[in-house]
Amino acid sequence: EPEVTQTPSHQVTQMGQEVILRCVPISNHLYFYWYRQILGQKVEFLVSFYNNEISEKSEIFDDQFSVERPDGSNFTLKIRSTKLEDSAMYFCASSRTVNSPLHFGNGTRLTVT
Amino acid sequence: EDKVVQSPLSLVVHEGDTVTLNCSYEVTNFRSLLWYKQEKKAPTFLFMLTSSGIEKKSGRLSSILDKKELFSILNITATQTGDSAVYLCGGTSYGKLTFGQGTILTVHP
Repeated sequence: EPEVTQTPSHQVTQMGQEVILRCVPISNHLYFYWYRQILGQKVEFLVSFYNNEISEKSEIFDDQFSVERPDGSNFTLKIRSTKLEDSAMYFCASSRTVNSPLHFGNGTRLTVT
Repeated sequence: EDKVVQSPLSLVVHEGDTVTLNCSYEVTNFRSLLWYKQEKKAPTFLFMLTSSGIEKKSGRLSSILDKKELFSILNITATQTGDSAVYLCGGTSYGKLTFGQGTILTVHP
């Protein structure tokens, strides 16, 4: 069964550094998402992306964050200058249509020191 | 702001018990209610509900939606230790899925 893949599984970075989290969505899916889960808290929506544009974004998704689909397969989340509070599990998801269920990757655990 | 609330927050049962997990939602431009099971990492999809009163079933799991009262339940019958997980529900609107905080289910042998 096709799945969403994310790399790396764990990333450690120093405060102020830029990180790029990578995702390969399911190949025939058109909608892409990033979510994050701070340890012990709920899974929070960050951003949705369709047709090379952001469709929706949350208040968390400020100017420090950006998303890109640089080619036909990858979908990336960039955090420009990481803060301690960015430490979380970041999940990528994709769906075939806007009304289809989201399929999640296994996540990237980001640790900012 | 969209809001999804799940109850109980945690539940401990023994194998063979039946459990009911609750989810209430306030989602602007609501489209559907989704249930996921989260074990170690990725939430895995269980059900998508769009219409009131129609039960969805998959083995020992079933779910139903009430769009008038804005809630959904997930039932698990004859629980097994492999059902131990966090169960997440979420409401969608135009491509945005808002999750509740999850119910931690622990099934003891």
